[in-house]
Formats: sequence, C-alpha cells, structure tokens
Amino acid sequence: SQQGEEDPQALSIQEGENATMNCSYKTSINNLQWYRQNSGRGLVHLILIRSNEREKHSGRLRVTLDTSKKSSSLLITASRAADTASYFCAPHNTDKLIFGTGTRLQVFP
Amino acid sequence: EAQVTQNPRYLITVTGKKLTVTCSQNMNHEYMSWYRQDPGLGLRQIYYSMNVEVTDKGDVPEGYKVSRKEKRNFPLILESPSPNQTSLYFCASSPVGGGYTFGSGTRLTVV
Repeated sequence: SQQGEEDPQALSIQEGENATMNCSYKTSINNLQWYRQNSGRGLVHLILIRSNEREKHSGRLRVTLDTSKKSSSLLITASRAADTASYFCAPHNTDKLIFGTGTRLQVFP
Repeated sequence: EAQVTQNPRYLITVTGKKLTVTCSQNMNHEYMSWYRQDPGLGLRQIYYSMNVEVTDKGDVPEGYKVSRKEKRNFPLILESPSPNQTSLYFCASSPVGGGYTFGSGTRLTVV
C-alpha cells in the first residue's frame, strides 16, 4: 500500500517540549506531505518534502525524509497548546495522495 | 482568498434521496479529490480528477458519482444514499504534484 503509517498513534506532552512523529510507507514516491487537522475541521497543509530532499524546515517544523528506509519524521519544536491536533503524513506518487490514520498530539499547558 | 468551498456544511437526509455536495476552488488547480473520514479508518479517497472531463475512482467509489465539467467545480453525487455513507466528507484541490488545499468539510447523516 502507498498509505503512510504514522507512529505513535497518540502523543501527550507539556508545552515547551518537542514532539516527534514518524511515518513509514511502502512504495516509491515523488514527494511526501504532512498535514494537520483540528478536530472535525479540514486538513491544513504543513510541509512538502520532495524525494530528492533529506530535510526541510518551516518555522518550528522540521521534516526529514529517508527514501532508503521509506520513512519520514515531523518534529515540532517548543510545542504550544495550539499545536494540539491530529497530524497526517501522505506519500505522493503520480496522481494520488493517500493518508494514514494520523498521530493525535495533545499539548498540555 | 485562495480556498476550497464545500456546501453544505451539515446535511441530514433519508435513505434513497439523491443529494449533491458541491465543491469549488478558486486557485485554478488541475487536481481535485473527494475523501471521506470515518473514526478509526482515517481519510479514504472516493474519486479524483486530474483535469476537466478526467475522473478516476479512488479506494471507496461505490455509491458515489462525480463530474468535472469545469475546472473549478467537482461535485459529489450520492444517487441513493444509504446509512453506511454517513460520514465527514472533504473536497481538496492541488496543483499537479503540490500540496492540497482542503475544504471545511461536509458532515452527512443518512437516516
């Protein structure tokens, strides 16, 4: 399956701590994307990393990609209560973006 | 403002009564897609479209129809809704190979 599988399924941390979420996939990709979803709302695109990139930053977000291991990680530094949400990775190959079931992140004040 | 607009946001209907959920994007994106989201199952793709008049089945197309007559619109049609189609539906659009912009969702209940 092309589906990304996130790990852990749930993560609880205190404000100020870093949060790391991992993603594994099984097929070749053009790029891999990360999204955030607040409960019941639409997904918001966070970052896209292409298959020839190894690391990408956007504000407090850092994404790594290891195509040899077919894995990616999302690091949120200095987390805030507002980061509480579900996070999804989505491998992209040609015409489809397939989502996993996500990591539920809870950041306590 | 660049956005994907879905309507309605909430809909309660009865089994068998045809309905359409509209989706429109103002970013001139080639690619559009419909997903449904159910607890424990994540987001599953229903149909997608690479461009005008080009549509393809996703992973769960049964019971749904779509059309892409104009670039900006991609309606989802349920000809004869059933209770197992009760779900949260999302429309999304993207440039080719780019990040997706999602609509706010349509919560559909079929009784």
